[in-house]
Amino acid sequence: QVQLQESGPGLVKPSGTLSLTCAVSGGSISSSNWWSWVRQSPGKGLEWIGGMYHSGSTKYNLSLKSRVTISVDKSKNQFSLKLTSVTAADTAVYYCAALLAASGSFDYWGQGTLVTVSS
Amino acid sequence: QPVLTQPPSSSASPGESARLTCTLPSDINVGTYNIFWYQQKPGSPPRYLLYYYSDSDKGQGSGVPSRFSGSKDASANTAILLISGLQSEDEADYFCMIWASNESGVFGGGTKLTVL
Repeated sequence: QVQLQESGPGLVKPSGTLSLTCAVSGGSISSSNWWSWVRQSPGKGLEWIGGMYHSGSTKYNLSLKSRVTISVDKSKNQFSLKLTSVTAADTAVYYCAALLAASGSFDYWGQGTLVTVSS
Repeated sequence: QPVLTQPPSSSASPGESARLTCTLPSDINVGTYNIFWYQQKPGSPPRYLLYYYSDSDKGQGSGVPSRFSGSKDASANTAILLISGLQSEDEADYFCMIWASNESGVFGGGTKLTVL
């Protein structure tokens, strides 16, 4: 059973960079999953940010693509999210998730971490 | 980026069935997409429930009861999540999702289901 755990600063200043890491346990980062990020603004719906396959292939939400980088660290069995030039609109709970390549479903989710953009 | 439209709220009584809808824009055909459904309870991450393409191509998430099922109404360009034998624990937000033609993930706005 894959388990995911997000970590990173809970507060980021406007115009700064949001950086989060997701530790993967119970499975290998080299398995057939797209390692993904999804966010949820307070009281709002879900927004797919993007994902990375262990081969290095990436897919990003076009609305965020210019600001987003997702990377995988095989040596640490973890993956990361960087979102640059953040504004208050980027305040959200950020979830890391494992997307099964075979089914296209997010079968595993982290508990989520709230990131607030504020000075 | 397509917009998936879900009613903001729905309600039903225990033991009844709840029918939650997810309407696709008119320029994309619900019949050509796998529709994914997720359940989210307050303070918890979403939980994958199932996907539905057709009666012969569908799948249930691990541990998801069979009283959760999917279908489509092609005439309304709408995907449907049916929850039969409603239980109090089914009270949650439900989100539909597709993988759009540009390989972007798109979620609906979600429906808050209240079990009366």
